[in-house]
Amino acid sequence: SQKIEQNSEALNIQEGKTATLTCNYTNYSPAYLQWYRQDPGRGPVFLLLIRENEKEKRKERLKVTFDTTLKQSLFHITASQPADSATYLCALAIRDDKIIFGKGTRLHILP
Amino acid sequence: EAGVAQSPRYKIIEKRQSVAFWCNPISGHATLYWYQQILGQGPKLLIQFQNNGVVDDSQLPKDRFSAERLKGVDSTLKIQPAKLEDSAVYLCASTQQGSQETQYFGPGTRLLVL
Repeated sequence: SQKIEQNSEALNIQEGKTATLTCNYTNYSPAYLQWYRQDPGRGPVFLLLIRENEKEKRKERLKVTFDTTLKQSLFHITASQPADSATYLCALAIRDDKIIFGKGTRLHILP
Repeated sequence: EAGVAQSPRYKIIEKRQSVAFWCNPISGHATLYWYQQILGQGPKLLIQFQNNGVVDDSQLPKDRFSAERLKGVDSTLKIQPAKLEDSAVYLCASTQQGSQETQYFGPGTRLLVL
């Protein structure tokens, strides 16, 4: 069956450290992958998009990698801050531009 | 630039009642999506419109859910009759042209079915 798995439901990271979130998928061949941030009571907010032919994308303190052989994307937040605490969702674009979301990982940055 | 607007923000109904949600996408955005997000889950696509035509409604429970986007701008999603398992946040999102681009989400409508 087709699945998207994000590494854990919750992740606690000390402030200043790098937070790494994982998105694994099976039986998909995504054209691209997106990462979104969602705060409680709000809709998701787009962060980064990485295409199947790209290995890495960066935006300020954020970095995304995409390994189509391992069927995995890693999302890194460097120099993490308490304000980075939120749920992070990965989303795969499969056939016909259909987007499939993972369950998300709740990230807590501890001061 | 105004974002995606949704109303109401919260709704509590009893099972078997009907409910409607409204979404106004970002001006000029041709594609509109309705998602259902159950607590602890990621958003699940219910229906996708391109202008006023349906692109994908394969996961819409058509026996009880309906949606329309008559003039290619704002949209309504209706549930009739509601079931307990419909309790969720209903998110609306829009993009300029297809989902190759960033999806802009509204704040969602939180529905509780008792």
